[in-house]
Amino acid sequence: DTAVSQTPKYLVTQMGNDKSIKCEQNLGHDTMYWYKQDSKKFLKIMFSYNNKELIINETVPNRFSPKSPDKAHLNLHINSLELGDSAVYFCATSNSLQETQYFGPGTRLLVL
Amino acid sequence: AQSVTQLDSHVSVSEGTPVLLRCNYSSSYSPSLFWYVQHPNKGLQLLLKYTSAATLVKGINGFEAEFKKSETSFHLTKPSAHMSDAAEYFCVVSLPGDDKVIFGPGTSLSVIP
Repeated sequence: DTAVSQTPKYLVTQMGNDKSIKCEQNLGHDTMYWYKQDSKKFLKIMFSYNNKELIINETVPNRFSPKSPDKAHLNLHINSLELGDSAVYFCATSNSLQETQYFGPGTRLLVL
Repeated sequence: AQSVTQLDSHVSVSEGTPVLLRCNYSSSYSPSLFWYVQHPNKGLQLLLKYTSAATLVKGINGFEAEFKKSETSFHLTKPSAHMSDAAEYFCVVSLPGDDKVIFGPGTSLSVIP
């Protein structure tokens, strides 16, 4: 019954590795997002997808690539992980950019 | 350019006393405004939102916020704080027809027993 789910919940990995975080929503929303939250709780929007089209890319390094296989999924793939990528990554969904966003529980990434 | 300012990075109140979390925005157009709450180790949850209807908006858990266009403010209040209100609070702005949603830096609320 979880509206927005993310896997994995925790991810510990070495520098230089490639990893993916998955997000799934069962709300039927048209727009999905990825956010990065740093240790100071500052929330930065990374990407959003609307009907499988990228509509925001906030100057995120190209090591990060969102992939949307269908309307219910927006996965985040990260190449060549760096120490500074350690953060909590949140997936969210909404009917549109101006409407309420529903957040997943977060994925806590630690790069060693 | 749009922006969101949350004037206090941290607010501490005693249980049972009022809560005021301040938010100011900068926008050339009438925005949609939101307050989200994030409890420790959880995702964000909507508290309330303003979308050009009544200027006083009531949300969940006894919170409310008033949109004041002249002051470009959307402060969040609650008459009596509860221990369970301790969390991080984010003020958010989005513009009709724009492609941006802007989060404020957050205010951490502590409630002292």
